[in-house]
Amino acid sequence: DQQVKQNSPSLSVQEGRISILNCDYTNSMFDYFLWYKKYPAEGPTFLISISSIKDKNEDGRFTVFLNKSAKHLSLHIVPSQPGDSAVYFCAASSGWQFYFGTGTSLTVIP
Amino acid sequence: DTGVSQDPRHKITKRGQNVTFRCDPISEHNRLYWYRQTLGQGPEFLTYFQNEAQLEKSRLLSDRFSAERPKGSFSTLEIQRTEQGDSAMYLCASSPGHGYGYTFGSGTRLTVV
Repeated sequence: DQQVKQNSPSLSVQEGRISILNCDYTNSMFDYFLWYKKYPAEGPTFLISISSIKDKNEDGRFTVFLNKSAKHLSLHIVPSQPGDSAVYFCAASSGWQFYFGTGTSLTVIP
Repeated sequence: DTGVSQDPRHKITKRGQNVTFRCDPISEHNRLYWYRQTLGQGPEFLTYFQNEAQLEKSRLLSDRFSAERPKGSFSTLEIQRTEQGDSAMYLCASSPGHGYGYTFGSGTRLTVV
């Protein structure tokens, strides 16, 4: 049973434009959410997090939005750069374990 | 401290052989996790240690899999009698506690031929 879902397997965006990656979850007990970025042959790298007491967290070009009523999480990257091309995973936790989505492959076109 | 280290990076083994992977977490992190990732999937939880105690094991972890974390430092994951379905990237992660994200290692890619 997939508790965290990323329904878009891939996304292509022009350099300089906004990338929006989406994530839905089913467990209302989740209280901490993360986004990870993964390059081929490497482990996932932490990008940004948000706790359930917030609805927005910003770090440079990356902003994560949380809509608890909709059980929806999104990552905005502005402006998108070619180096952002990678697979992005969202993850959610209610304790010690994180549940991961299946990932969205982002391609930023120069 | 340079992060979470995993060894080896790649392992090719024949079906039926045993393999062992090692993970060295960030030294201040008392939580250590093993995940497995296959192509097109997100990381799937295998097992979790808090210090030296193994607190949770996924049902994905069959009897052929065993993990240890002696003295609460490094951890090993052993797979006995490997099968082709064991081919995957095995990821180790550590964390200082709840409310903090994981730091992942680079993973060990296992290929069973």
